[in-house]
Amino acid sequence: AQTVTQSQPEMSVQEAETVTLSCTYDTSESDYYLFWYKQPPSRQMILVIRQEAYKQQNATENRFSVNFQKAAKSFSLKISDSQLGDAAMYFCYNAGNMLTFGGGTRLMVKP
Amino acid sequence: DVKVTQSSRYLVKRTGEKVFLECVQDMDHENMFWYRQDPGLGLRLIYFSYDVKMKEKGDIPEGYSVSREKKERFSLILESASTNQTSMYLCASSPRPGPLNQPQHFGDGTRLSIL
Repeated sequence: AQTVTQSQPEMSVQEAETVTLSCTYDTSESDYYLFWYKQPPSRQMILVIRQEAYKQQNATENRFSVNFQKAAKSFSLKISDSQLGDAAMYFCYNAGNMLTFGGGTRLMVKP
Repeated sequence: DVKVTQSSRYLVKRTGEKVFLECVQDMDHENMFWYRQDPGLGLRLIYFSYDVKMKEKGDIPEGYSVSREKKERFSLILESASTNQTSMYLCASSPRPGPLNQPQHFGDGTRLSIL
């Protein structure tokens, strides 16, 4: 079975600060892809960042970066210089043989 | 830009009714997906399809069926709606038949209430 765990149901960050959202997963596959998706309130789910498991280098997209620890099966998302528009539900997703989303983390950004 | 359109944002039905949720994508994607989203549970895959007339069960297919007669359209069917199927339903699509390494593009979701 494949599982994805987001242990933080809610997180809060001050505007312009940095926040890290955690995600751990369990898989028996050697080749897989990991994603972070963002779902703003009442809006469409959109892709934030993607990591290929065979790549050791951590993915980066502007203010968003990941800390991918393959041996530990950990895939955390770091948001730097947080902005009000970053407030959303964030979902970690493992696209292997099974397509598995985590339970989500609600991020609140304080002005 | 990829557009995934779900036919309704909000839907209210009664128990026992047969319910159809429609999804259309305009980018000629091979893969299409139906999820339900519940608080604390994230998104759970109901069914997906790699191609026309092809379907695969996801994690929670019970009580649901799907239809993909045309490449751009993927329908979710609740055969006999029950109150525990009240949820947000999300449709998604992605290119390529597999591996599933491409990001999915999501619709706006349908909030379905079964009374």
